[in-house]
Amino acid sequence: AQKVTQAQTEISVVEKEDVTLDCVYETRDTTYYLFWYKQPPSGELVFLIRRNSFDEQNEISGRYSWNFQKSTSSFNFTITASQVVDSAVYFCALTGFQKLVFGTGTRLLVSP
Amino acid sequence: DVKVTQSSRYLVKRTGEKVFLECVQDMDHENMFWYRQDPGLGLRLIYFSYDVKMKEKGDIPEGYSVSREKKERFSLILESASTNQTSMYLCASSPRTSDGTGELFFGEGSRLTVL
Repeated sequence: AQKVTQAQTEISVVEKEDVTLDCVYETRDTTYYLFWYKQPPSGELVFLIRRNSFDEQNEISGRYSWNFQKSTSSFNFTITASQVVDSAVYFCALTGFQKLVFGTGTRLLVSP
Repeated sequence: DVKVTQSSRYLVKRTGEKVFLECVQDMDHENMFWYRQDPGLGLRLIYFSYDVKMKEKGDIPEGYSVSREKKERFSLILESASTNQTSMYLCASSPRTSDGTGELFFGEGSRLTVL
C-alpha cells in the first residue's frame, strides 16, 4: 500500500528565514509520481509540483525548491526567504494509478 | 479561468438528514474525486470516478455514495448524516493521462457540520 508521511505537523518561522518541509513516502510501484500542494486559508488546494520517479533532478522555481531522493524515499520542499504569504498547509502526495494518496500536511506559519 | 465549483461552502445539517454535495468542473476532465479533510488525518479519498456512470470506492466509502450522470458533475451523497461526518469535503478533477496520473484540480471545499 502507498503511504505518505509528513512528520512535521506545524512549523513556525519568521519572515526571510529558510524552511524545509519533509516528505517521506512508501510505495512498491517502480513508476510513480510525487506532488506538493499548497492550501492557503481560503481552502482551495493549489498545485505546486509534480515529479516523476525516474527524474531525480532537483527543481527550483523562484523561492521554492524540491529535493527528490529515491534512496531515502524522500521528496522535501524548501522555501527560501519565506514570506507571510507562504503561510498555509502544505501537502505531499503520491500517486497510485489515476488517484493520489496524501500526507497529513504541514502547517507553515510565517510571522512578520 | 478553469474551475472546479462546489455548490456550498458551508452547510449545517441534522443527524439523519440526507445530504447532497455537488461538484462541477468545466475542464472536460474524465476523472473526478471526493476527499474529506480532517485535522491530523490529511485528505482521505472517499470515492472517485473515471467516467460517466462509473464509480470506485476510495479508502473511506462507508456512509457515502456518489453519482456521476454527466461528465462535468460528480455528487457526493450522505444517505443519513451522522456527527462523525462533520468535516471539510473537497472535490477534485483530473484529466485521464497515458501514464496513469495527472494534476488534480481542487474546488474550494464544502464544510459540513452535522448536529
